[in-house]
Amino acid sequence: IAGITQAPTSQILAAGRRMTLRCTQDMRHNAMYWYRQDLGLGLRLIHYSNTAGTTGKGEVPDGYSVSRANTDDFPLTLASAVPSQTSVYFCASSEEDRVTGELFFGEGSRLTVL
Amino acid sequence: GQNIDQPTEMTATEGAIVQINCTYQTSGFNGLFWYQQHAGEAPTFLSYNVLDGLEEKGRFSSFLSRSKGYSYLLLKELQMKDSASYLCAPVDSNYQLIWGAGTKLIIKP
Repeated sequence: IAGITQAPTSQILAAGRRMTLRCTQDMRHNAMYWYRQDLGLGLRLIHYSNTAGTTGKGEVPDGYSVSRANTDDFPLTLASAVPSQTSVYFCASSEEDRVTGELFFGEGSRLTVL
Repeated sequence: GQNIDQPTEMTATEGAIVQINCTYQTSGFNGLFWYQQHAGEAPTFLSYNVLDGLEEKGRFSSFLSRSKGYSYLLLKELQMKDSASYLCAPVDSNYQLIWGAGTKLIIKP
């Protein structure tokens, strides 16, 4: 089934540890995004990539890094996790970088930093 | 700054009609999305409006007024499975979605 796969689904992490959330899509979409979703707040963009080989900062990029070595994969890394990074993380993709069409979301990764 | 305003929570009865409003202020405008999100799941696409007016898609309709910075999602013949959060997201001048916090819709029998 075509779509976006995220891993892990859920993770509990000690503060200070390094963590990579994986995201893979098989729709050959150009653009990919990482959002975090916290209770009472809208989805906030962390980083994005308009095409393979390029990345950009979103609204809340501090403490996170991404890479886009190929079209399909867009991992998100927390270099040294802090409790404020406890959140649900969604990876998404769209066919073009100018979002005028549907955004497809992965099922989310629930991260708890203690 | 950019701002999205939609009610936090609404309650409606099965079989009825409900309208979820969204007002927005963004730097530039390139359309507005509505997404549905069931608890513990990913958001799923409902509609995208770029021109003024009403667009109907089955039981769901979405309306846009660009001059008023206003949109609404109309849900007819409500079903229990419509219990979810509804996210309003206008697209700004950089073609980035600005997400509202969402409206939690509770459907009662």
